Amino acid sequence: ELKVEQNPLFLSMQEGKNYTIYCNYSTTSDRLYWYRQDPGKSLESLFVLLSNGAVKQEGRLMASLDTKARLSTLHITAAVHDLSATYFCAVEKDSNYQLIWGAGTKLIIKP
Amino acid sequence: NAGVTQTPKFQVLKTGQSMTLQCAQDMNHNSMYWYRQDPGMGLRLIYYSASEGTTDKGEVPNGYNVSRLNKREFSLRLESAAPSQTSVYFCASSDFTYSNQPQHFGDGTRLSIL
Repeated sequence: ELKVEQNPLFLSMQEGKNYTIYCNYSTTSDRLYWYRQDPGKSLESLFVLLSNGAVKQEGRLMASLDTKARLSTLHITAAVHDLSATYFCAVEKDSNYQLIWGAGTKLIIKP
Repeated sequence: NAGVTQTPKFQVLKTGQSMTLQCAQDMNHNSMYWYRQDPGMGLRLIYYSASEGTTDKGEVPNGYNVSRLNKREFSLRLESAAPSQTSVYFCASSDFTYSNQPQHFGDGTRLSIL
């Protein structure tokens, strides 16, 4: 059974600092996704990671994938208040459309 | 650019009542999905439709039924609502044939069952 674990589940940090959110999954998978959700809002796609060693960057966010370690990271560089949100990773199950989601990391960035 | 549209946005039901949540997408996607989101648990897949004319169970299908009405529309029905079905429901769509494409989400339906 595919399980996806994120840590930490809650993170409070100061503006200007760097930090990393981790996403571990229990069985092999072809695709991993990162999403952002603001309170009371929908989910917004950030990154799609398809292969071992994949790295994608958008602004202050960078995501990477290590399929051998079954680990993805979301790195935040020089955090700003606008990045406060809940971040989810999701892993595709058996290449059959189903995504298994982590519980989310609630990130609060204090000015 | 509507994307994925869900109706209604909010609903309060009494235990035992039935209702249908509607979802429509205008991106010509083949695949559509229904999720529920509960506090601290991420999203869980209820049902999905890989293509028009097919539907399959996800992780938590009990108490729900779905209909893929056409390529654009995918509805979720609660036949006899229970308090455990109080949740936020999200519909999503994707073009699964393109591996670099994510799922696109609607704004959600906040459902309370008393």
